Amino acid sequence: DVKVTQSSRYLVKRTGEKVFLECVQDMDHENMFWYRQDPGLGLRLIYFSYDVKMKEKGDIPEGYSVSREKKERFSLILESASTNQTSMYLCASSLPPPEHYGYTFGSGTRLTVV
Amino acid sequence: AQKVTQAQTEISVVEKEDVTLDCVYETRDTTYYLFWYKQPPSGELVFLIRRNSFDEQNEISGRYSWNFQKSTSSFNFTITASQVVDSAVYFCALRGHTNAGKSTFGDGTTLTVKP
Repeated sequence: DVKVTQSSRYLVKRTGEKVFLECVQDMDHENMFWYRQDPGLGLRLIYFSYDVKMKEKGDIPEGYSVSREKKERFSLILESASTNQTSMYLCASSLPPPEHYGYTFGSGTRLTVV
Repeated sequence: AQKVTQAQTEISVVEKEDVTLDCVYETRDTTYYLFWYKQPPSGELVFLIRRNSFDEQNEISGRYSWNFQKSTSSFNFTITASQVVDSAVYFCALRGHTNAGKSTFGDGTTLTVKP
């Protein structure tokens, strides 16, 4: 069964900490994405990567960075966590268009910054 | 710029009723892809369907059907004879054709099916 695995389901961090959220996929997908999901705001794209070492800003990249050193792994980094980054973080992967038949999502990481 | 609008924030129906979830999109791309995803209470989003911009045929899969109308930029989703297990948040999404194309999601519609 194909999978996108996010390293933590729940995470609690302190303000100012550097936070790493890890995502690994086993489908050999070129494209990987990080979204955050907040009530009433839907899914908002933070960063995405269409190939190894490539990255593109999404709609809300401020306060975040990413790393894609290997095809299967896409890491989201909160350089200095703040309370407004408390959210559900979703990682997804896909083939590129036109073969893109939808994202495969991980089960999410619920991050609380205190 | 891309935009997806799901005007219905919440819908509540009684089991066996039919229900339609609306999705309206905006894009400047001539080739694009439209999607529906389901997020049940367990939390993990699940892909339901993809539609290409050049294929306006409607699609039916069991109790689910999708109506794509390019003229009105809409991609609506109908559940026939709804069941309690259909209760979930449903997201409509749009992606451009380029490799680096971003996907944009609507805000989601929360569907509650009551027994």
